[in-house]
Amino acid sequence: KQEVTQIPAALSVPEGENLVLNCSFTDSAIYNLQWFRQDPGKGLTSLLLIQSSQREQTSGRLNASLDKSSGRSTLYIAASQPGDSATYLCAGHVVRSGAGSYQLTFGKGTKLSVIP
Amino acid sequence: DAGVIQSPRHEVTEMGQEVTLRCKPISGHDYLFWYRQTMMRGLELLIYFNNNVPIDDSGMPEDRFSAKMPNASFSTLKIQPSEPRDSAVYFCASSSRGYGYTFGSGTRLTVV
Repeated sequence: KQEVTQIPAALSVPEGENLVLNCSFTDSAIYNLQWFRQDPGKGLTSLLLIQSSQREQTSGRLNASLDKSSGRSTLYIAASQPGDSATYLCAGHVVRSGAGSYQLTFGKGTKLSVIP
Repeated sequence: DAGVIQSPRHEVTEMGQEVTLRCKPISGHDYLFWYRQTMMRGLELLIYFNNNVPIDDSGMPEDRFSAKMPNASFSTLKIQPSEPRDSAVYFCASSSRGYGYTFGSGTRLTVV
């Protein structure tokens, strides 16, 4: 069974700092990996999706990488802003054999606070 | 597209009552997922459908939970009877062939 771990559980940084959020997964047979952002009391917003054939994806100040061999993904946030404060979750898609079905397994997230 | 639409946004009910949560996926998406989120356990997959057919319901906690998808544009998650430990945020998500997931805003359920 796929397990996804995110460390640290919480992170506080001063505004303007570059930071890295870590995600590790146990099943290297991952179809793709997705990073989400969740604001308090809100739903999940997709940030980046990395397919298994890719190594990284970029969107604005965000860059996500995927290393299947080591079972790791990182989310890099450049020049952090107070508006980046939220919980960031990574989720791995695992393909189950036979039915061509897909299952998304989440980490518990890293709560980021960017201090002005 | 309006995205994945869930209703109601908030639900407060008494223990023992029936609760029905609703979801409208993104048009054209062939996968629909129901997740539950709690502080203790994070996001847990309850059940998912492919082309309206339930594929895996192993995450459904008990027989009190049931889910249906009568057509491609509508799904329900029902809890009967509800218990205080069912209190959580329930999310619906949809996907096209497993490529990227879009989540609804969730239903915050409180069972008193």
